[in-house]
Amino acid sequence: QVQLVQSGAEVKKPGASVKVSCKVSGYTLSELSMHWVRQAPGKGLEWMVTFNPEDGETIYAHKFQGRVTMTEDTSTDTAYMEVSSLKSEDTAVYYCATHQKAVAGYFDYWGQGTLVTVSS
Amino acid sequence: EIVLTQSPDTLSLSPGERATLSCRASQSVSGYLAWYQQKPGQAPRLLIYDASSRATGIPARFSGSGSTTHFILTISSLETEDFAFYYCQQRGNWPITFGQGTRLEIK
Repeated sequence: QVQLVQSGAEVKKPGASVKVSCKVSGYTLSELSMHWVRQAPGKGLEWMVTFNPEDGETIYAHKFQGRVTMTEDTSTDTAYMEVSSLKSEDTAVYYCATHQKAVAGYFDYWGQGTLVTVSS
Repeated sequence: EIVLTQSPDTLSLSPGERATLSCRASQSVSGYLAWYQQKPGQAPRLLIYDASSRATGIPARFSGSGSTTHFILTISSLETEDFAFYYCQQRGNWPITFGQGTRLEIK
């Protein structure tokens, strides 16, 4: 059973950066394809980025390319997602998510979410 | 980018009734569509993947159907705990996209 535990809520000023972590247990990070999905207050779900360990490829949603960086520390089984040049529209709950091989491309394990608030 | 349009935006039903939620894709996603349930303050929960396969631990009252551009999530007899938001998601083409959601509320 995979468990994903994310870092705590953050408050940032416009123009700053934020780095959210996602600690994996139950599996090693290198076995998993990790994704990040965000949800603005009262809004729907928005996929941001995916890392596939099988080919080492990171795929970003077009709107986040150049502003979002996904990294992994396999020694601690922790994934990170950094958003730079924050704007008020980036205020959202950020989720890490992954999946069993049988449901590749979907998300059957989720972190608890990290609220990032961007406000001056 | 494939746009997923869910309908209705809000569905008002009573416990015991049958719920039918729709998800239409702007182009074919083959059968690569999932459904999620989300309750306030919680992460989404995968219900259905590949259009009609139930995820682990999901009750049999949840079923999915459809292919290419039109998909349906059916809840055969609503339980109180089923009143929530529902989202569809496609993985047929990059980027992965979600529908805007359907709110299922108690009538």
